[in-house]
Amino acid sequence: GAVVSQHPSRVICKSGTSVKIECRSLDFQATTMFWYRQFPKKSLMLMATSNEGSKATYEQGVEKDKFLINHASLTLSTLTVTSAHPEDSSFYICSARGHLGQGDTEAFFGQGTRLTVV
Amino acid sequence: DAKTTQPPSMDCAEGRAANLPCNHSTISGNEYVYWYRQIHSQGPQYIIHGLKNNETNEMASLIITEDRKSSTLILPHATLRDTAVYYCIVRAAPPLRLTFGEGTQLTVNP
Repeated sequence: GAVVSQHPSRVICKSGTSVKIECRSLDFQATTMFWYRQFPKKSLMLMATSNEGSKATYEQGVEKDKFLINHASLTLSTLTVTSAHPEDSSFYICSARGHLGQGDTEAFFGQGTRLTVV
Repeated sequence: DAKTTQPPSMDCAEGRAANLPCNHSTISGNEYVYWYRQIHSQGPQYIIHGLKNNETNEMASLIITEDRKSSTLILPHATLRDTAVYYCIVRAAPPLRLTFGEGTQLTVNP
């Protein structure tokens, strides 16, 4: 299947600082990217959906000013957690779908980023 | 997207077939059944999807009942590396949004 690379895989930051997580589609053009967060022993929760060149659509209850999403190119989307606090500590996962060859791809997932705010 | 119901956990012996059920009684005509799995601390992995016909690929088989109200994911020869949470998702194509339920924790035992 198509490859989605997420970086970094782990990050520890101090409370009040901002953290940027990158999500890249390596072998296809990602027209749509999705960002999820996952707490321990819980399922994935969709945070936002972004289409290349457009503003992201946030799920209800997700603060758009806190979780900044940029999808400026067909291969890269970034999630910036601004002024991070310990309650933002979580596993963040990106997913991408787009064009590969003649057709559209399914949604493929990155390996996730473990964020710990201390 | 239609709601799905899966058992919270299942066990399977290594080398045996693992049959994971999913109920989706409110599925509508244009909705597909998708299966993903998530190995601990990794991102989800696409397994298979189908609309009404049974499907098979190198990873698994998907059996959808004739009324499409339920389906079964079959891992024909489970290995220890198949231990993961398996998610059954019903949604219309294209995948504008994927929403995950609680899934089934499959544990493959030696």
